[in-house]
Amino acid sequence: DAKTTQPPSMDCAEGRAANLPCNHSTISGNEYVYWYRQIHSQGPQYIIHGLKNNETNEMASLIITEDRKSSTLILPHATLRDTAVYYCIVRSLMVSGSARQLTFGSGTQLTVLP
Amino acid sequence: IAGITQAPTSQILAAGRRMTLRCTQDMRHNAMYWYRQDLGLGLRLIHYSNTAGTTGKGEVPDGYSVSRANTDDFPLTLASAVPSQTSVYFCASSDSSKGTEAFFGQGTRLTVV
Repeated sequence: DAKTTQPPSMDCAEGRAANLPCNHSTISGNEYVYWYRQIHSQGPQYIIHGLKNNETNEMASLIITEDRKSSTLILPHATLRDTAVYYCIVRSLMVSGSARQLTFGSGTQLTVLP
Repeated sequence: IAGITQAPTSQILAAGRRMTLRCTQDMRHNAMYWYRQDLGLGLRLIHYSNTAGTTGKGEVPDGYSVSRANTDDFPLTLASAVPSQTSVYFCASSDSSKGTEAFFGQGTRLTVV
């Protein structure tokens, strides 16, 4: 799985958009970009994933650059409850019969300020 | 509510004792995983299972064993606990045929003294 690079920490004002960057310059063609977050003392929570097209769900939007070497997770209206560590993970889909575990890096600590 | 359940929530254990952390999921996911998380470090994979009856070693398997007798349960056993196994343990499951998200339990905080 490709390595990812994220800033260690970011702040965002409540109600504003939070834009979390991730570099994955060694990503290969069959690897997806996944985002998870971990609120203090809780288990990681899936947010969104994508291959090359931008994706949006009820939680966030994922913007992947055309060359797929970087991506940005956007929380459109951050709330205090979005304060968490955000992990960007790159991996291929499961090969038949083979579980592909998630490799977590250090992530970005997002602090939403009142 | 469907999901993944871990037990116990927390435990203080004397060194040398045997301990089994329980994990149960009701989503009929084929794949299950055990991670540990230590302060200042990310989650590290201990063991995983592709399907009932099969298991595999992750990044940090030493001192731990797992079994997968059925789809729903994936217990993690520390045969003889040591202080370095003090950590927060997370169980997860996923449907590997769909390549979709993994669901995590709420964790077990284990302290070995």
